[in-house]
Amino acid sequence: QPVLTQSSSASASLGSSVKLTCTLSSGHSNYIIAWHQQQPGKAPRYLMKLEGSGSYNKGSGVPDRFSGSSSGADRYLTISNLQFEDEADYYCETWDSNSWFFGGGTKLTVL
Amino acid sequence: EVQLVESGGGLVQPGGSLRLSCAASGFTFSGYWMSWVRRAPGKGLEWVANIKQDGSEKYYGESVKGRFTISRDNAKNSLYLQMNSLSAEDTAVYYCARENEWRDYWGQGTLVTVSS
Repeated sequence: QPVLTQSSSASASLGSSVKLTCTLSSGHSNYIIAWHQQQPGKAPRYLMKLEGSGSYNKGSGVPDRFSGSSSGADRYLTISNLQFEDEADYYCETWDSNSWFFGGGTKLTVL
Repeated sequence: EVQLVESGGGLVQPGGSLRLSCAASGFTFSGYWMSWVRRAPGKGLEWVANIKQDGSEKYYGESVKGRFTISRDNAKNSLYLQMNSLSAEDTAVYYCARENEWRDYWGQGTLVTVSS
């Protein structure tokens, strides 16, 4: 089964850009993933589906500041022009054999 | 507008049972897989279970298999999670989510606390 590895925390300044990483385990480098955002005290929000090719499709209403890319087993979420409301937990997720797997999440702090 | 509203959470003693509900609106409920995902305090998201449009297929995470049962009533646009043999490790906010290839809409969640 796939394992998704995320850094536990990241930080960046208001107005800057940040790139969050989700790494798929060996043998699963071609898997499609999804990125979700969870702001403090709120429900998770679907951001995008991201393929190994780097192609991505965003959810309804997701700002243009959010984009995705891929390199090998790594899946990236880039947030440009950081806003305070981007301070949240970010999770990657994938699917295999009728089961779903989440990464441990990255807590993003906007300075 | 897609809306998912969970209910049924609360305080329950270890070994007890609880039934969660999720009321769906704003979309054709019978056309989608649905799922439950939870987040324990201080931890990340964990997939709990999902169910096919007509209820003919159901899948569970390893930590809840044999104790939890997912079900749905398409006539009532509702999703359910029957939770038995609860332990402290089941304490979490439980979210209902719609699956449209991926989990594209989530409810606000309902808190389940297992404690004596």
